[in-house]
Amino acid sequence: SQTIHQWPATLVQPVGSPLSLECTVEGTSNPNLYWYRQAAGRGLQLLFYSVGIGQISSEVPQNLSASRPQDRQFILSSKKLLLSDSGFYLCALRPQYTEAFFGQGTRLTVV
Amino acid sequence: GENVEQHPSTLSVQEGDSAVIKCTYSDSASNYFPWYKQELGKGPQLIIDIRSNVGEKKDQRIAVTLNKTAKHFSLHITETQPEDSAVYFCAAMNTGNQFYFGTGTSLTVIP
Repeated sequence: SQTIHQWPATLVQPVGSPLSLECTVEGTSNPNLYWYRQAAGRGLQLLFYSVGIGQISSEVPQNLSASRPQDRQFILSSKKLLLSDSGFYLCALRPQYTEAFFGQGTRLTVV
Repeated sequence: GENVEQHPSTLSVQEGDSAVIKCTYSDSASNYFPWYKQELGKGPQLIIDIRSNVGEKKDQRIAVTLNKTAKHFSLHITETQPEDSAVYFCAAMNTGNQFYFGTGTSLTVIP
């Protein structure tokens, strides 16, 4: 069965600092991978998705970027964090044409 | 693209009563409709799903109904319990790369 690992669970970063969140998956090959952000009490905002190595689609222009250096690795980055980047970040895995599975999320607080 | 609307945004019920959450979608190509439950500080977890060739699906106290003609689907929870309290998201998917979530319903079951 598929598993999805996301870390760290919580992160406090100062404004202007860089960010790197990592997501790795197991039990599947060539899945679609997604990064979502969830503000407090709000819905799921799709940030990026990837259908393969090196293939990234951006849904919302912003201060963040994503990369997929390996089939089962998806990274969310920022060169300089803003206060508005605070939120709950979720990585999701969607094996071909099946339901999506979510990681446990990273709570990012920018101070 | 797909537009998924979800109602209500908040719902309070007495323990033992039923809860109903409704979603509508716009893209007739959507053919898979999962429901997710998200507990505080965790990633969403799939609780039930339905495909477009089925009108209703039931799993113990949880059921989902789909009306393809009207493009709406609903989640029904019977005999609610305090542990059912969470945020519930509906989603609409097709065989494409993207999937779309509703804005979420915060369900509170009052003991």
